Amino acid sequence: DAGVTQSPTHLIKTRGQQVTLRCSPKSGHDTVSWYQQALGQGPQFIFQYYEEEERQRGNFPDRFSGHQFPNYSSELNVNALLLGDSALYLCASTSTLYGYTFGSGTRLTVV
Amino acid sequence: AQSVTQPDIHITVSEGASLELRCNYSYGATPYLFWYVQSPGQGLQLLLKYFSGDTLVQGIKGFEAEFKRSQSSFNLRKPSVHWSDAAEYFCAVGQESYNTDKLIFGTGTRLQVFP
Repeated sequence: DAGVTQSPTHLIKTRGQQVTLRCSPKSGHDTVSWYQQALGQGPQFIFQYYEEEERQRGNFPDRFSGHQFPNYSSELNVNALLLGDSALYLCASTSTLYGYTFGSGTRLTVV
Repeated sequence: AQSVTQPDIHITVSEGASLELRCNYSYGATPYLFWYVQSPGQGLQLLLKYFSGDTLVQGIKGFEAEFKRSQSSFNLRKPSVHWSDAAEYFCAVGQESYNTDKLIFGTGTRLQVFP
C-alpha cells in the first residue's frame, strides 16, 4: 500500500514565478493537509482540504492556494514567489480512523 | 493560542545512554499530543501520541512519553539510544478531532549520537 506521494521531490524557481506542488494521499484517506517547513524550523500548517473544499487555513497569505480533486489528490499553488518561500513542503493525508500520514516532501528553492 | 516549546535545540548523547527530550505546550483544554521523528530529507514519522487515558504512552522504536498536565509537558524518553536514533524530533499538539485537525509543531530537537 503506497503511502503519501509528493511530486516533484525538488525544484528551483525564480522570484516572482509561480509553482504547483502535487500530492497523492494514502489509500483510504480523504483529507489532505499542507505544511511548510523552513530550514531549522518545525512544520507550519498552511491549509487543509476535505471534500474538495478548504476546511482550515493557517496564517499564510493568499499567494498560497490549493485544490483537491475528486480522487482526493491535491495541489498546492504559490504565486509571486519570494525568497522566503524556500522550504520543504509537506503533504499529509488523514483519515478519521488512522490519523496523519506524511509524505517525504517537496524541497522548493527560490533564487 | 496553542503553542509548543522544545527548549533543547541540539542534544548529543553516547550510544547506549538514556535520552529525554523536553516538550512543553500551551493549550486551554485537554491537548492531543504527538512526537514525530524526521531523518534528513525525509518526511515525518509518528513515534507516539497521547489522546486520553494512561499518561505514560508507549511508541515505536522503544520510545515512550509521559503526559504531565500539572507541568504542561510531554517529554519523550528512551532508556538506551542507538546510533540510528540520530534525527530531528518534533513535538506537536492538536485539538479536537485529533485525527484530522491541524497540528502545531515545536521547532524541533536535533539528536546526535556518538559511538
